[in-house]
Amino acid sequence: AQSVTQLGSHVSVSEGALVLLRCNYSSSVPPYLFWYVQYPNQGLQLLLKYTSAATLVKGINGFEAEFKKSETSFHLTKPSAHMSDAAEYFCAVSGDTGRRALTFGSGTRLQVQP
Amino acid sequence: NAGVTQTPKFQVLKTGQSMTLQCAQDMNHEYMSWYRQDPGMGLRLIHYSVGAGITDQGEVPNGYNVSRSTTEDFPLRLLSAAPSQTSVYFCASSYSKSSVHNEQFFGPGTRLTVL
Repeated sequence: AQSVTQLGSHVSVSEGALVLLRCNYSSSVPPYLFWYVQYPNQGLQLLLKYTSAATLVKGINGFEAEFKKSETSFHLTKPSAHMSDAAEYFCAVSGDTGRRALTFGSGTRLQVQP
Repeated sequence: NAGVTQTPKFQVLKTGQSMTLQCAQDMNHEYMSWYRQDPGMGLRLIHYSVGAGITDQGEVPNGYNVSRSTTEDFPLRLLSAAPSQTSVYFCASSYSKSSVHNEQFFGPGTRLTVL
């Protein structure tokens, strides 16, 4: 069984400030972890993924995430927020070999204040 | 490539009506799936398919049917719509059924309201 917990349903930062979105996972098998972004009225777009090659993963739009097995975490960060980063972000885990499906967290809505 | 396409974008149904949500992909992906998105709950898996002729249930399959007669198409059928099925539905596909870390590509979604 696998699950994802995203701490904070809403996060607000100022433009230029650090973005930190938290994700903790639970998985009975070695996990593969993903961050997706959803802009208003659109589908989900992959930001980055962890597949055990490197613990620090760089994605699109300046985002990165670090896999910490001891903390079962995969937090998403960006050094400097931009107005265009305002969206909903979803952390997801895959590793259930039976279903090949993603288990999603409940999402974090990021607001960027000018 | 058009990627993953879904029709319709919006739909309003009355309780008890049936309908089919269409999903197609032109990337020759083996794996396709349907999710529903509800506020505060993320996305939950309804049904999935690892290839033509093969489907299986996800986390919330009740009230939905699927079939996969071709690699490209994966329609989702609501047999008798209920207000609890009001949601946004996303179709997704990925290249290989044998790799759990393939990226899934998502369609733009169908917003369904059941009155």
